[in-house]
Amino acid sequence: DIQMTQSPSSVSASVGDRVTITCRASQDISRWLAWYQQKPGKAPKLLIYTASTLQSGVPSRFSGSGSGTDFTLTISSLQPEDFATYYCQEANSFPWTFGQGTKVEVK
Amino acid sequence: QVQLQESGPGLVKPSQTLSLTCTVSGGSISSGDYYWSWIRQPPGKGLEWIGYIYYSGSTYYNPSLKSRLTISLDTSKRQFSLKLSSVTAADTAVYYCARGVTTANFDYWGQGTLVTVSA
Repeated sequence: DIQMTQSPSSVSASVGDRVTITCRASQDISRWLAWYQQKPGKAPKLLIYTASTLQSGVPSRFSGSGSGTDFTLTISSLQPEDFATYYCQEANSFPWTFGQGTKVEVK
Repeated sequence: QVQLQESGPGLVKPSQTLSLTCTVSGGSISSGDYYWSWIRQPPGKGLEWIGYIYYSGSTYYNPSLKSRLTISLDTSKRQFSLKLSSVTAADTAVYYCARGVTTANFDYWGQGTLVTVSA
C-alpha cells in the first residue's frame, strides 16, 4: 500500500491567513492525488483532484499543487467556514489510501 | 443532484455480519463512468477505503478486508450493498457510501452511518 503522510497534523490560524498543508506519498503517484474537507459529523467534501483541478463549486481560494511524491493544498485567505479537517487521498494504485488528516483550528 | 443514502443496523454483535445498503438517487447507477464505493472512518480517526463495485458487477476490495467482504449491486433498485463478516470491535466506524469517478476520487458521498460492534 502507498502511505500518505500529511503535515502538520494540526495548524492554528486566523481568518485571512494563508494556510498550507503538505501531503507526501511513499512512492511516485504522478498527479493522482485528491484533497477533501471534512467538518465534524459530516461526510468529506471533494475539493481538488488530479493534484490541482478544482472541483466544481469549490471557492478559488483553495488550490493544489505538486506531482510525484510531494503535494500541497493552499488556502489563500482562510474564511470562517474553512475551519475543518483536510485529507489527501492517493488515486494511483489500489488500495486507495488517505492521509491521516490535518485539522485547521482557530488561533 | 446526485444523492446517496446509507441504511442498515447501527449495532452488530461480534462475530456476526455487518450489512449496509446505499441507495442512489438523482443519477444513473448503471453508468460506466462511476465506481460505487464504501469508505469507513473509526471514531476520531482517519478514512479507510473499503472497496468498490462497477456497473458491470466487477469489484475491487481492500486486501486488508478482502477475506470478509462482499459488495453487490442491484441496478433495478438503484442500490449497492456491503457485507462484512466476522466483525470485531475494530470494525466500529462510520460507514460512508460514495461515488468514485474515473480520476479515482469521490465526488458524492452519503451522510454516513455509525455501526457499533458490541455484545
